[in-house]
Amino acid sequence: AQTVTQSQPEMSVQEAETVTLSCTYDTSESNYYLFWYKQPPSRQMILVIRQEAYKQQNATENRFSVNFQKAAKSFSLKISDSQLGDTAMYFCASNFGNEKLTFGTGTRLTIIP
Amino acid sequence: NAGVTQTPKFRVLKTGQSMTLLCAQDMNHEYMYWYRQDPGMGLRLIHYSVGEGTTAKGEVPDGYNVSRLKKQNFLLGLESAAPSQTSVYFCASSYFSGRQETQYFGPGTRLLVL
Repeated sequence: AQTVTQSQPEMSVQEAETVTLSCTYDTSESNYYLFWYKQPPSRQMILVIRQEAYKQQNATENRFSVNFQKAAKSFSLKISDSQLGDTAMYFCASNFGNEKLTFGTGTRLTIIP
Repeated sequence: NAGVTQTPKFRVLKTGQSMTLLCAQDMNHEYMYWYRQDPGMGLRLIHYSVGEGTTAKGEVPDGYNVSRLKKQNFLLGLESAAPSQTSVYFCASSYFSGRQETQYFGPGTRLLVL
């Protein structure tokens, strides 16, 4: 079965610090995409960052970056200089080579002032 | 450009009642999806469509039906609502370019079945 696992249900960090959210997955596919979505209290799902599995270079988007370890099937999200607006649920997801997304159960991140 | 919109935003149903959730997108996307979100379970795919007139089952399709008569609309129907269908429902759409494109989500519909 193709699965996405987020083992940290909740995390908290002081404002301006760096935090890393973990995600592991299981698939036999070699070509797929990985995503991190953010869901703030408004419930809107917002794409944070995406990674193509065939690209070795880790994706970055401003303060957000990933550590993609294909052999270990690991896809962690690093948030630098965390801000109060980063408080949200974060979901890891993958398409596993098809048109559908499989989501993890999410990590609730709280940024403490 | 409104993106993905969902109607209604919130609804209360009694067990056995029926209703239809409407999803509309103005981005000319081929693919559309319906998910449900329950506490501690992330988002689970109910049904999806890869083009006008097509539908396919996702992970949790039982108790739901869908239709995609127009490219821009994707309807989710509950024929006989059950308390287990209390959830937040999200619609999403994406462009198809031969590779996986980002899914864009609507704001969600909160459904309470009593």
